[in-house]
Amino acid sequence: KQEVTQIPAALSVPEGENLVLNCSFTDSAIYNLQWFRQDPGKGLTSLLLIQSSQREQTSGRLNASLDKSSGRSTLYIAASQPGDSATYLCAVEMDSSYKLIFGSGTRLLVRP
Amino acid sequence: GAVVSQHPSRVICKSGTSVKIECRSLDFQATTMFWYRQFPKKSLMLMATSNEGSKATYEQGVEKDKFLINHASLTLSTLTVTSAHPEDSSFYICSAQDRVHLGHGYTFGSGTRLTVV
Repeated sequence: KQEVTQIPAALSVPEGENLVLNCSFTDSAIYNLQWFRQDPGKGLTSLLLIQSSQREQTSGRLNASLDKSSGRSTLYIAASQPGDSATYLCAVEMDSSYKLIFGSGTRLLVRP
Repeated sequence: GAVVSQHPSRVICKSGTSVKIECRSLDFQATTMFWYRQFPKKSLMLMATSNEGSKATYEQGVEKDKFLINHASLTLSTLTVTSAHPEDSSFYICSAQDRVHLGHGYTFGSGTRLTVV
């Protein structure tokens, strides 16, 4: 059974700092991995999707990497801003099933 | 871009009553929608996969008679929590896919906060 773990559970950093969020999964036979952002009491916003054959994806200040063999993904946020404060969730999709298995998220606070 | 509208955003109901939550894809057709449940500071747990024109597929441990799902059209899926109890209080989120334009990209609704008193 696939299990997705995110470390740390919570992170507080000063504005401007670069930071890395970690995601690990136990079954490397994934179809893709996605990173989402969730603001309090809100739905999810898709940030980046990495196909199993890809190593990384970039969007603006965000860079996500994938090492499928070791079961790890990282989300790198450059020059963090208070507006980046949110919960970041990673999720894996297995075997093109369209069903996502989520990690428990990292709650990020960027202090002004 | 693809937009999913979920309604209501918040609902408070009495124990024993039923609550219906709607999930609509506004500018695309979604043959499949997904319903998730999220407990405070916990991850999203998939409850069921809703398929247009057919019965929903429920995940293990989810009571299908408790959580009724109807996907009557390509743009609307509903989740009805029947005979709600306080332990059903949670955050429910739907998602849909525009497979034509987004492939495996997901669009999520804004969620529904259900409180059963």
